[in-house]
Amino acid sequence: QKEVEQNSGPLSVPEGAIASLNCTYSDRGSQSFFWYRQYSGKSPELIMSIYSNGDKEDGRFTAQLNKASQYVSLLIRDSQPSDSATYLCAVTPGSARQLTFGSGTQLTVLP
Amino acid sequence: DGGITQSPKYLFRKEGQNVTLSCEQNLNHDAMYWYRQDPGQGLRLIYYSQIVNDFQKGDIAEGYSVSREKKESFPLTVTSAQKNPTAFYLCASNLRDGEGYTFGSGTRLTVV
Repeated sequence: QKEVEQNSGPLSVPEGAIASLNCTYSDRGSQSFFWYRQYSGKSPELIMSIYSNGDKEDGRFTAQLNKASQYVSLLIRDSQPSDSATYLCAVTPGSARQLTFGSGTQLTVLP
Repeated sequence: DGGITQSPKYLFRKEGQNVTLSCEQNLNHDAMYWYRQDPGQGLRLIYYSQIVNDFQKGDIAEGYSVSREKKESFPLTVTSAQKNPTAFYLCASNLRDGEGYTFGSGTRLTVV
């Protein structure tokens, strides 16, 4: 079982719709959770971090964490073509400092 | 501006050759990391260092070596023992436990 799992997609949504990206993790002791956006050929860029159960909103982005279900998600409201990228979920397992990444979900927003 | 600088952006390696990828940061971060990304894949940890003169192997350290002589610098050497080195290499850092990483712009290594 992979430590961090994401649906690889590709996921396509029309412009203006809500994009929903999901991630599950295996280590119940995980403390820190992150979403990165990676454009083709570029390095990942941190867009959201979440540490406690519930929702965290930042502009059009909402991260949701459910530690009991070992599940973290990212919602992108009013999706734009510029949101088309691969979204990587990353988790800090237990007391470790280094991140474990999922394989990413490729999102395409259709004009 | 603070950030992480990786060089070169593109690197070509001949069979049997060792090559070194540079990573320099001016963020005053203690921890630095090297990841490898293959097409369509996530990031896999090669090595990490939490303080100067100390580093630990990650999940795929075989065929790689690192040093951490200065806080700002964490170079990665891809040795001839690494049989499939073609990949996108990413250097990252963070200030403290639980924080997300800042990434460099990456080095794309190709075997010719």
